[in-house]
Amino acid sequence: EVVLTQSPATLSASPGERATLSCRASLSIGSNLAWYQQKPGQAPRLLIYGASTRATGIPARFSGSGSGTDFTLTISSLQSEDFAVYYCQQYNNWPPWTFGQGTKVDVK
Amino acid sequence: QLQLQESGPGLVQPLETLSLTCTVSGGSISRSSYYWGCIRQPPGKGLEWIASIYYSGKTYYSPSLKSRLSMSVDTSKNQFSLKLRSVTAADTAVYYCVRSPETGYPPLSTFDNWGQGTLVTVSS
Repeated sequence: EVVLTQSPATLSASPGERATLSCRASLSIGSNLAWYQQKPGQAPRLLIYGASTRATGIPARFSGSGSGTDFTLTISSLQSEDFAVYYCQQYNNWPPWTFGQGTKVDVK
Repeated sequence: QLQLQESGPGLVQPLETLSLTCTVSGGSISRSSYYWGCIRQPPGKGLEWIASIYYSGKTYYSPSLKSRLSMSVDTSKNQFSLKLRSVTAADTAVYYCVRSPETGYPPLSTFDNWGQGTLVTVSS
C-alpha cells in the first residue's frame, strides 16, 4: 500500500499570501496523483489530477507539480474561500486507492 | 447535473451489518465510462477509500475491509449498494458515495463527483 504523507499538518496564512502544500509518497507513483479541497461540513472537491492538470472549473490560482515521490500544491494568492483542508490521493498502486492525512490551511 | 444521494441507517449496533444505498440521478449508472464507489471519513479524520464497482459488476475492495464487504449495483433503480458486516466503533464515519471516471489502467483514478455524505454511528 502506498502511504502518502502531507506536510505541514496546518498552514497558517493570510489572504493574498502564497500557500505551498507538500505530499510525499512512500514509493514512486509517477504523475498519478490528485488533490482535493474539503470545507467544513462539505464533501471533498477534486482540484488537480495527473499531478498538474486542473479539474473543470478550478481557478488558475491552484497549481500542482511534481512526479515520482514528491508533489506540491500551490495556491498563488489565497482567497477567503480557499481556507480549507486539502488532501492528496494516489492512483498508481491499487487497490487500495489511498489518501494523505490532509493539510489544514487556516487564517493567520 | 449528476447527483449522488446516500441512504444509510444512521445508527448501527455493534457486530451488525451496515447497509448503504447510493442513488444516482441526472445520469445513468449503466454508462460504460464510470465506476461507482464509497469513501468514508471518521469524525475529525481523513479519507479512506472502501470499494468501487462498475455497472457490469466488476468490483474492487479495500484489502483491509475485503473480508467484511460486499457491493452490488442495481441498474434498474440506478442505484449501487454497500454492505459492511460485523461493524465496530471503528466503522463510525461519514460515508460518501462517489463517481470515478473509468480510465482503463488504472481502472479508475480520481473521484470527480461526491454525494453529500451520511453519518453512520456504530453504538449500542
